[in-house]
Amino acid sequence: KAGVTQTPRYLIKTRGQQVTLSCSPISGHRSVSWYQQTPGQGLQFLFEYFSETQRNKGNFPGRFSGRQFSNSRSEMNVSTLELGDSALYLCASSLPTSGGYNEQFFGPGTRLTVL
Amino acid sequence: AQTVTQSQPEMSVQEAETVTLSCTYDTSESDYYLFWYKQPPSRQMILVIRQEAYKQQNATENRFSVNFQKAAKSFSLKISDSQLGDAAMYFCAYRSGYNTDKLIFGTGTRLQVFP
Repeated sequence: KAGVTQTPRYLIKTRGQQVTLSCSPISGHRSVSWYQQTPGQGLQFLFEYFSETQRNKGNFPGRFSGRQFSNSRSEMNVSTLELGDSALYLCASSLPTSGGYNEQFFGPGTRLTVL
Repeated sequence: AQTVTQSQPEMSVQEAETVTLSCTYDTSESDYYLFWYKQPPSRQMILVIRQEAYKQQNATENRFSVNFQKAAKSFSLKISDSQLGDAAMYFCAYRSGYNTDKLIFGTGTRLQVFP
């Protein structure tokens, strides 16, 4: 079974540009979460989607947005990039069950560098 | 709000020895999960072990075990018979039991394993 895939793996942008990152969950998984990882702030939760609906949102400015498609693939968009947006962006997917535990599987991440 | 604290930025251990990584958390919820994740230099986040808050018994996965002290809100990871492949960043994480996949991570502990 293929794991969580993220594209692109590496990205270089300049300040002021916008960027779209993609995450394809494991087949059958309907929940996708996004995290930002930086040396200074560590791992921070961005948002969570389940069945195309945003279920939870972290404390990030409105420049960060996301969506989920009917096939569970998810995209996140960052507009008006700032130097501080340079980070590893991780995506995780899970197969939600009605109550109880469901394991999340992480993708390899997209390394975004803003110059 | 829930918080997770890892007070050991770096730890080291010799091969075949035992090491314990510390983690404390804060929450007012009664239903939650605690996790230890491993992030090797390749960056793929891997679940090491999980603990359900309602279970008194400490979780064990082969050489990995936890010491879950619910009243003290402490959740340490013990790695026995350490191997070179255990070298990685280890993150302690919290997840509410209420209809979310959102993970709250600690700042991580870098584990070095010496031959």
